[in-house]
Amino acid sequence: NAGVTQTPKFQVLKTGQSMTLQCAQDMNHEYMSWYRQDPGMGLRLIHYSVGAGITDQGEVPNGYNVSRSTTEDFPLRLLSAAPSQTSVYFCASSSRNRATDTQYFGPGTRLTVL
Amino acid sequence: AQSVAQPEDQVNVAEGNPLTVKCTYSVSGNPYLFWYVQYPNRGLQFLLKYITGDNLVKGSYGFEAEFNKSQTSFHLKKPSALVSDSALYFCAVRDDRGSTLGRLYFGRGTQLTVWP
Repeated sequence: NAGVTQTPKFQVLKTGQSMTLQCAQDMNHEYMSWYRQDPGMGLRLIHYSVGAGITDQGEVPNGYNVSRSTTEDFPLRLLSAAPSQTSVYFCASSSRNRATDTQYFGPGTRLTVL
Repeated sequence: AQSVAQPEDQVNVAEGNPLTVKCTYSVSGNPYLFWYVQYPNRGLQFLLKYITGDNLVKGSYGFEAEFNKSQTSFHLKKPSALVSDSALYFCAVRDDRGSTLGRLYFGRGTQLTVWP
């Protein structure tokens, strides 16, 4: 299994540009989520999905959209990038949305917005 | 609301010495606690978790964690540190109820440095 994969690894955008961060998992996990990591703040949940066709907001959803058309893929869209969205983004998945299930993380996408 | 606190931003220890990375938690339900490690420019790797049962949980790379309900703590430990253990460590709690079921709440992270 490749586990959780993310593309691209690095991206530089200009303010106002849009882009999609890709996330895929090959473990048939129902639960997928997006986090952003900022220095000294740990990881914060952006959006999550408990299965295909179902998404919901996390702690910091503003400026981001998601969709879940398949079990494997969970893309994160930035509609109009802002410098405040400069961060490292991690996608994660777990078998189900239970508190006992371990979430597994992708390698991350480092995004810079100028 | 669920939360975790990692009171130390940095921990420094000599190779071969025991190490402890501290974590305290606050939960409204059952405590489901996790430790992750992040090496430079890498994603988070799962180390271990406490669900129920023995208070001493063993994980990857020789790490273990001690769950203490009365002190609401879940400290990460290793008997003999290696230089290769140098990394950023995150404690997290996963929500077990309500509209926030399944969410992971992270501490701010502790940078562990092991010097030769």
